Amino acid sequence: DTGVSQDPRHKITKRGQNVTFRCDPISEHNRLYWYRQTLGQGPEFLTYFQNEAQLEKSRLLSDRFSAERPKGSFSTLEIQRTEQGDSAMYLCASSVAGRQFFGPGTRLTVL
Amino acid sequence: AQSVTQLDSQVPVFEEAPVELRCNYSSSVSVYLFWYVQYPNQGLQLLLKYLSGSTLVESINGFEAEFNKSQTSFHLRKPSVHISDTAEYFCAVSDREGSNYKLTFGKGTLLTVNP
Repeated sequence: DTGVSQDPRHKITKRGQNVTFRCDPISEHNRLYWYRQTLGQGPEFLTYFQNEAQLEKSRLLSDRFSAERPKGSFSTLEIQRTEQGDSAMYLCASSVAGRQFFGPGTRLTVL
Repeated sequence: AQSVTQLDSQVPVFEEAPVELRCNYSSSVSVYLFWYVQYPNQGLQLLLKYLSGSTLVESINGFEAEFNKSQTSFHLRKPSVHISDTAEYFCAVSDREGSNYKLTFGKGTLLTVNP
């Protein structure tokens, strides 16, 4: 399967801990997106990369959040000092020519 | 900025009945329109999209959606649903005039098909 993969699929952490998620896009897709989906809501845009450059960040992305895409391949999303409000599904998508392909998501639960 | 409204959070129907999932959007610029489907425990999958041309677009599994510019709507329809169509459906838009193609989603409609 050469789709978008995300790791881990589930993460339970205690408030105040740091967590890091990884996304492996479809190879040769130059754009990579992160979205967050909370219960009962649709996905909300967080940030996007074109190759290794982070070109846009949503105001939802507080200074506790940081995303990287070294060498324009996989991407990581780190959340520092997690809060209960960070509990959500974190979705990654990659695209070429405007169509976005989504990964299965990482479900974060902050206790 | 764009926003998407999906008027029904849940739609229960019986197998082989027709269904319509409603989607309205608001935008100050022209948009591309999408429907995504999320089956239980799976990622979002693109169901169909409107980019340009014919305002009626179809998917391979019998769904269709029609772009209505005057009503700013992109309702999803299927004349006869199957139990396997049970899933959550998300309407989304992206800015046609921008270059980032980020998606703005509605809250989703849970379609439940009962035997």
